[in-house]
Amino acid sequence: NAGVMQNPRHLVRRRGQEARLRCSPMKGHSHVYWYRQLPEEGLKFMVYLQKENIIDESGMPKERFSAEFPKEGPSILRIQQVVRGDSAAYFCASSPDRGPNEQYFGPGTRLTVT
Amino acid sequence: SQKIEQNSEALNIQEGKTATLTCNYTNYSPAYLQWYRQDPGRGPVFLLLIRENEKEKRKERLKVTFDTTLKQSLFHITASQPADSATYLCALDTGNTPLVFGKGTRLSVIA
Repeated sequence: NAGVMQNPRHLVRRRGQEARLRCSPMKGHSHVYWYRQLPEEGLKFMVYLQKENIIDESGMPKERFSAEFPKEGPSILRIQQVVRGDSAAYFCASSPDRGPNEQYFGPGTRLTVT
Repeated sequence: SQKIEQNSEALNIQEGKTATLTCNYTNYSPAYLQWYRQDPGRGPVFLLLIRENEKEKRKERLKVTFDTTLKQSLFHITASQPADSATYLCALDTGNTPLVFGKGTRLSVIA
């Protein structure tokens, strides 16, 4: 059973460009969570999605950031007009349902904005 | 304000000893508390979940306690090994809101 997959693993963008991060949850998991981690910082929740629905986006900046989890295909976190402060590791996690379940994390995408 | 704190950024112990990591929180009422391990350049890996009505949970060499009066969880690794060296994260789960993670404690087990 393949784990959570994220791609690309490393992404370099110049200021003002768009970044698209992809996440394929574990087979059978319909709940996806995105987190951001800065050096020496903890994981910060961004958004929680279930197939075709955004359930909680309270941690996601209102501007430039968006997320989707279509019926078919991976979940995508999109950052428009990236700035240097967006440089971070972005992790995706999945779970089989909502509730007190462990979350299974992907290897992360390291975004560097130059 | 709400806070979750892990006792220290880094902890060094000798191989074979018991490592004890602390997670304290204020102004939260978690129904569950989870512990994860994170190695450099990798995503966190789930270790243990403990519910508010459980005092203690064990898994192999790992033991977690949860004291809702003290608002504290302790994470123990007995007979520690160099392979246990990693960053350990605690996460609060209120059941209705997203997981809230601490910054982690970087454990180094020295042979």
